[in-house]
Amino acid sequence: AQSVTQLDSHVSVSEGTPVLLRCNYSSSYSPSLFWYVQHPNKGLQLLLKYTSAATLVKGINGFEAEFKKSETSFHLTKPSAHMSDAAEYFCVVSHNDYKLSFGAGTTVTVRA
Amino acid sequence: SQTIHQWPATLVQPVGSPLSLECTVEGTSNPNLYWYRQAAGRGLQLLFYSVGIGQISSEVPQNLSASRPQDRQFILSSKKLLLSDSGFYLCAWSPPPGTGELFFGEGSRLTVL
Repeated sequence: AQSVTQLDSHVSVSEGTPVLLRCNYSSSYSPSLFWYVQHPNKGLQLLLKYTSAATLVKGINGFEAEFKKSETSFHLTKPSAHMSDAAEYFCVVSHNDYKLSFGAGTTVTVRA
Repeated sequence: SQTIHQWPATLVQPVGSPLSLECTVEGTSNPNLYWYRQAAGRGLQLLFYSVGIGQISSEVPQNLSASRPQDRQFILSSKKLLLSDSGFYLCAWSPPPGTGELFFGEGSRLTVL
């Protein structure tokens, strides 16, 4: 069965410093992986997705993630955090065409 | 372009009352449709998904039901709400045949008192 583990429930960074959100997955085959962002009381927005093409995936708002099969990881990074990056982030793995498994989420706080 | 509308945005209901949350998608045909629930401080739980009119798959046996009366309309219902039904409900769609990428509505916050 496919699943994801987000290793940090909460990450706090200073504005202008790098952000790292960690995600490990388990899958019985080559997975599709996604990162979504959710601002308070809003729906989720896709940041980026990996679908077996380039292992380094660039997304919106300066985020990128690297797929590492040997480590079964798909960590999300951004070189310089902005106040608007404060939100909850979800790592997601696709079971098949219809169903996704969501991680528990990582809340990002950005300090001025 | 495709858009998804979900309403109402906020709902406060007494225990035992009925529920109807509605979701519609515009700008696409035969989308896969989903209802998720997000309880406070927790991740997303898939409640129902549908790959076509009248085709509903339930992921979690509970007090809720879903219907798809039209191609781009997805309704979440309950005959009698429980306190545990409180949460943030999200409708989402994905294009057929399915790439795994979901597009979410803005959500409906339900408080059952």
